[in-house]
Amino acid sequence: GIQVEQSPPDLILQEGANSTLRCNFSDSVNNLQWFHQNPWGQLINLFYIPSGTKQNGRLSATTVATERYSLLYISSSQTTDSGVYFCAVEGMADRGSTLGRLYFGRGTQLTVWP
Amino acid sequence: SQTIHQWPATLVQPVGSPLSLECTVEGTSNPNLYWYRQAAGRGLQLLFYSVGIGQISSEVPQNLSASRPQDRQFILSSKKLLLSDSGFYLCAWSKRGWGPTNEKLFFGSGTQLSVL
Repeated sequence: GIQVEQSPPDLILQEGANSTLRCNFSDSVNNLQWFHQNPWGQLINLFYIPSGTKQNGRLSATTVATERYSLLYISSSQTTDSGVYFCAVEGMADRGSTLGRLYFGRGTQLTVWP
Repeated sequence: SQTIHQWPATLVQPVGSPLSLECTVEGTSNPNLYWYRQAAGRGLQLLFYSVGIGQISSEVPQNLSASRPQDRQFILSSKKLLLSDSGFYLCAWSKRGWGPTNEKLFFGSGTQLSVL
């Protein structure tokens, strides 16, 4: 299946700092989503972004499909941003043979200190 | 609006005992349903997915099974738990069909299973 690599694996920030999280994938994708898992385990869908750029408040994401990577930007970070950020993709080769089969990266553990 | 319920939140079971985890979705019809497991080290692995009642696809061979007795109900089961079944189990749903309005995945709150 498609390979998903996220970097950095861990990130520690002071409140107010900006950060960029990266997701590289090994094949063309139909579906790419970013999730945030809070310290209690709840996974929240942040973006559906197989290509292009989207923004939602302090968060924005850009996917350059032709170069097989996606970036998640967090500006003016807050302590509530702490948790694990996951990138998940569905490869074009999987479309039609499986349904909504997302491959997850191992995540970036973000810790924001006050 | 749509909501997904998953229970129990935590479960401690002895080796060899049976398992039943339940997930229900409200506010939508004909959802695609998924069971994921998150082992230590953060990665999520898809275990089962379902596109309709009684239709189950398994991603990896294992000690677990899944059933979908009703449109918005998804159950994860085992007849005899192993130590290696410990982990964080997450139910998820998405709308039927392709495209940005349908393909977003939404997760339940998860069940932390400890097999001792």
